[in-house]
Amino acid sequence: NAGVTQTPKFRILKIGQSMTLQCTQDMNHNYMYWYRQDPGMGLKLIYYSVGAGITDKGEVPNGYNVSRSTTEDFPLRLELAAPSQTSVYFCASSYTANGEQFFGPGTRLTVL
Amino acid sequence: TQLLEQSPQFLSIQEGENLTVYCNSSSVFSSLQWYRQEPGEGPVLLVTVVTGGEVKKLKRLTFQFGDARKDSSLHITAAQPGDTGLYLCAGAGTSGTYKYIFGTGTRLKVLA
Repeated sequence: NAGVTQTPKFRILKIGQSMTLQCTQDMNHNYMYWYRQDPGMGLKLIYYSVGAGITDKGEVPNGYNVSRSTTEDFPLRLELAAPSQTSVYFCASSYTANGEQFFGPGTRLTVL
Repeated sequence: TQLLEQSPQFLSIQEGENLTVYCNSSSVFSSLQWYRQEPGEGPVLLVTVVTGGEVKKLKRLTFQFGDARKDSSLHITAAQPGDTGLYLCAGAGTSGTYKYIFGTGTRLKVLA
């Protein structure tokens, strides 16, 4: 089992560019989450999904979009990148609603 | 809005010392998790506490959930350099949502 995989590991964007952060899990988990972590801080929830076709906003959804067409994949889309979106992005999944979250290795994004 | 405050933010101690990290909120949580995160990696679950007043032990780590399920503590006995990392608490709300709220984090450094 690979667990939760994220691509890319690093990315530099220019202001106004767009990109998609990929997240895939092979544990057949229904629940998936996207977080961002600013330097030295905790994690803030961007979006989450409770199953294929169902997504909802977290604490900081502005500037992001998600989709969940399959159980395995939960991509995060950044439109019109801004310097405030410079952060490390973590994808996570869990088997149950309040169960253990398994995190991917993160994507470090810099917007210049 | 539910918030989780952790204290202290930073802690640097000598090997062999004891320490306690606190996670406090004015909100009630249905369960609370503690994670440890090492540089360049995603958080990894240490423990989940569910019942008010619950105490769980993991080797030299002792976790307690407050009686009112609004706060939690992590106590490390005889800290070792391998305990170095960012400790995060995460609470699951009681409102029936599937969102986790992460604390602000405690960065621990244990010096040999």
